[in-house]
Amino acid sequence: EADIYQTPRYLVIGTGKKITLECSQTMGHDKMYWYQQDPGMELHLIHYSYGVNSTEKGDLSSESTVSRIRTEHFPLTLESARPSHTSQYLCASSGVSGSAGELFFGEGSRLTVL
Amino acid sequence: SQQGEEDPQALSIQEGENATMNCSYKTSINNLQWYRQNSGRGLVHLILIRSNEREKHSGRLRVTLDTSKKSSSLLITASRAADTASYFCATVSITGTASKLTFGTGTRLQVTL
Repeated sequence: EADIYQTPRYLVIGTGKKITLECSQTMGHDKMYWYQQDPGMELHLIHYSYGVNSTEKGDLSSESTVSRIRTEHFPLTLESARPSHTSQYLCASSGVSGSAGELFFGEGSRLTVL
Repeated sequence: SQQGEEDPQALSIQEGENATMNCSYKTSINNLQWYRQNSGRGLVHLILIRSNEREKHSGRLRVTLDTSKKSSSLLITASRAADTASYFCATVSITGTASKLTFGTGTRLQVTL
């Protein structure tokens, strides 16, 4: 079992609200990622981090922002949510030697913006 | 466009049958990985095959890799209803010190009793 946790699992909010999706891992992994996935569709990388104080944007442009103040924690924030942000957000991590290795995924946060 | 294209997009078989999913990609890779995703859940890593390997087994899973054709296949033998899920291939490319992992479009497998 992977030790990577996402909260909340489900979130329904109104337009304009600020939200933060939490992601924590207890494996000491340097590399962490956020993916966005619509139901039944492929995953798109929106943010990644290779270590503390390191964050980069992924392949898919996103209005969300991330921070990496601690190794184990990689939260994603939307300052003003819109219906177009409705999606599933998946957090993942990989080990120091795992840049080419496997990713460990959390269970996902399903966001619905009304 | 996506590095990995999977075929078929959806597959429905009966329990006990074998399921084969294919993944094609465009650029040179360091390794290729297969993941499974149950509906509404996160992805779980199944198997990794390196670019210098041609075949790998793990339990009821068999993965092949043909780098000349830039393709891979995942075979699940003696399928069970619990194998119902989406299956994604992911390719890893390394340029210098940077590595890039790109997911395919996924195959939705339905195993019926």
